[in-house]
Amino acid sequence: KAGVTQTPRYLIKTRGQQVTLSCSPISGHRSVSWYQQTPGQGLQFLFEYFSETQRNKGNFPGRFSGRQFSNSRSEMNVSTLELGDSALYLCASRLGRGRETQYFGPGTRLLVL
Amino acid sequence: QKEVEQNSGPLSVPEGAIASLNCTYSDRGSQSFFWYRQYSGKSPELIMFIYSNGDKEDGRFTAQLNKASQYVSLLIRDSQPSDSATYLCAVTYNTDKLIFGTGTRLQVFP
Repeated sequence: KAGVTQTPRYLIKTRGQQVTLSCSPISGHRSVSWYQQTPGQGLQFLFEYFSETQRNKGNFPGRFSGRQFSNSRSEMNVSTLELGDSALYLCASRLGRGRETQYFGPGTRLLVL
Repeated sequence: QKEVEQNSGPLSVPEGAIASLNCTYSDRGSQSFFWYRQYSGKSPELIMFIYSNGDKEDGRFTAQLNKASQYVSLLIRDSQPSDSATYLCAVTYNTDKLIFGTGTRLQVFP
């Protein structure tokens, strides 16, 4: 079974631009979570989607948004990019919710200049 | 107060020794506990999960959970240089959200 895939793997943007990242979960997994990882802050939870509905949200500004499609694929959008948005963005999927284990994709490394 | 706390390290142990990694959490309602390993430049990969008090063993790895004291630990026996990585502790809370600690960097030297 294929793992979690994320596209693109690397991205360079400039301040003020917007970006859309994509995540395809493991087949059959219905929950997708997004995380931001930076050296100083570690893994920060952004949001979780399950059955096309946002179930949880972290403490990020409204510039960070996401959605999930009927096939469980998810996208994350960041508008009006700031230098501090430079990070590794990780997507993780799990079968359902609760105690289900999350499996991570390889991540998208975003550099904002 | 951080919800999940780990010593950032680095924790340095010689090859063949036992590495002990610790994690404390703040919410007594926490239900599930996970250990992930992350190599530099890679994404986290699951090592173990534990739900009940006590020990859970898987090969060279043992997870220990003490809900009364609100800590979870990971023991790595016969440590190898290939175990050198950052180990992330993660805890689920009542909202079903998975919260990560900042990780402990482990260095195993030959």
